[in-house]
Amino acid sequence: QKEVEQNSGPLSVPEGAIASLNCTYSDRGSQSFFWYRQYSGKSPELIMSIYSNGDKEDGRFTAQLNKASQYVSLLIRDSQPSDSATYLCAVLDTGRRALTFGSGTRLQVQP
Amino acid sequence: SQTIHQWPATLVQPVGSPLSLECTVEGTSNPNLYWYRQAAGRGLQLLFYSVGIGQISSEVPQNLSASRPQDRQFILSSKKLLLSDSGFYLCALGASDNSPLHFGNGTRLTVT
Repeated sequence: QKEVEQNSGPLSVPEGAIASLNCTYSDRGSQSFFWYRQYSGKSPELIMSIYSNGDKEDGRFTAQLNKASQYVSLLIRDSQPSDSATYLCAVLDTGRRALTFGSGTRLQVQP
Repeated sequence: SQTIHQWPATLVQPVGSPLSLECTVEGTSNPNLYWYRQAAGRGLQLLFYSVGIGQISSEVPQNLSASRPQDRQFILSSKKLLLSDSGFYLCALGASDNSPLHFGNGTRLTVT
């Protein structure tokens, strides 16, 4: 069973701080990784994709991938109260052509 | 642009009743389509996926089934709902095998 693990949180950070969200995965052959944001009662929305080792930046978001350690992270700079949500890490299972999701980390940004 | 339509948004059904949830997509052809379920406070569980008309792969057979009668239509069904079927049902679209998934607005099902 391929697994994706996340700390459920909540992770609480003050407004303007950097929020760091982490994810580990079990399938060493995985090549594609995604971060989704899910507001309460809403469907997940894609915020970042990453396919290569290293960092990928998009605005206030930076995704980091380390395939050797089987580790993916998401950094949110200058956190805002509107960033308060659950963040889901997803890994592509090429055998099933589907995403396997972690259970999500709840982020709370305190004004 | 790609659009995913799911309905209804909310549904309350008694135990033992049938279920039919429909998902249609626009703006793409021959997409990969998926049904996920999210129980309260939990992660997303893959139920079914389809890579083409009539092609369904089942992850959680139980009392649920899925069908893809048209290229852009994906239907989730049950003949008799269980209490454990309550949850947030999400249809998702993948443009290709390696692309991320995009989700519809979901159907919140409560089985009473």
